[in-house]
Amino acid sequence: QKEVEQDPGPLSVPEGAIVSLNCTYSNSAFQYFMWYRQYSRKGPELLMYTYSSGNKEDGRFTAQVDKSSKYISLFIRDSQPSDSATYLCAMIVLSGGSYIPTFGRGTSLIVHP
Amino acid sequence: DGGITQSPKYLFRKEGQNVTLSCEQNLNHDAMYWYRQDPGQGLRLIYYSQIVNDFQKGDIAEGYSVSREKKESFPLTVTSAQKNPTAFYLCASSLNLGGRDTQYFGPGTRLTVL
Repeated sequence: QKEVEQDPGPLSVPEGAIVSLNCTYSNSAFQYFMWYRQYSRKGPELLMYTYSSGNKEDGRFTAQVDKSSKYISLFIRDSQPSDSATYLCAMIVLSGGSYIPTFGRGTSLIVHP
Repeated sequence: DGGITQSPKYLFRKEGQNVTLSCEQNLNHDAMYWYRQDPGQGLRLIYYSQIVNDFQKGDIAEGYSVSREKKESFPLTVTSAQKNPTAFYLCASSLNLGGRDTQYFGPGTRLTVL
């Protein structure tokens, strides 16, 4: 079993829909949680970063962390075709004095006009 | 892509050849990383380095080698010992090693073995 599970999709939604992207994890030692967006053939870019349970909002994006359930989510409101990309969750745990990031497989999102 | 450059963008290699992928950053970051990305596999850590002249193996280091002679440079060599090297390779850097600091990624190098 992988430490971080993420459904690869693809997830196809109409423009304007609310999108929910999710990851589950098994290692309760994960301390920091991130969401990256990756356009085709490009490097990932950081969207959201959080380290506590609860919600964090940034524009149309909301990151949610539930440490008790080992579950994180990214919500996108009023989705746009430009949101079409692969979304990667990532988590960090302190290991031997170093912070080692672990990534999910990524979910492919398609927002159609 | 921030201040990280990777070259070349596309690279073709014959079986049995070693190739070196370049990664340079001008962000004055201490930590640098190399990841491999395969379709449906997400990012897998190959090597990382926190300071000059020091680096650590990641989850899939076999068949790869790195050096960190300068703070701004972290080249990755894909050796002939890597059995399945065709993949998208991403370099990243951060101010410190993970934690509260953001990882910035380069644009990637797509390596194809012919």
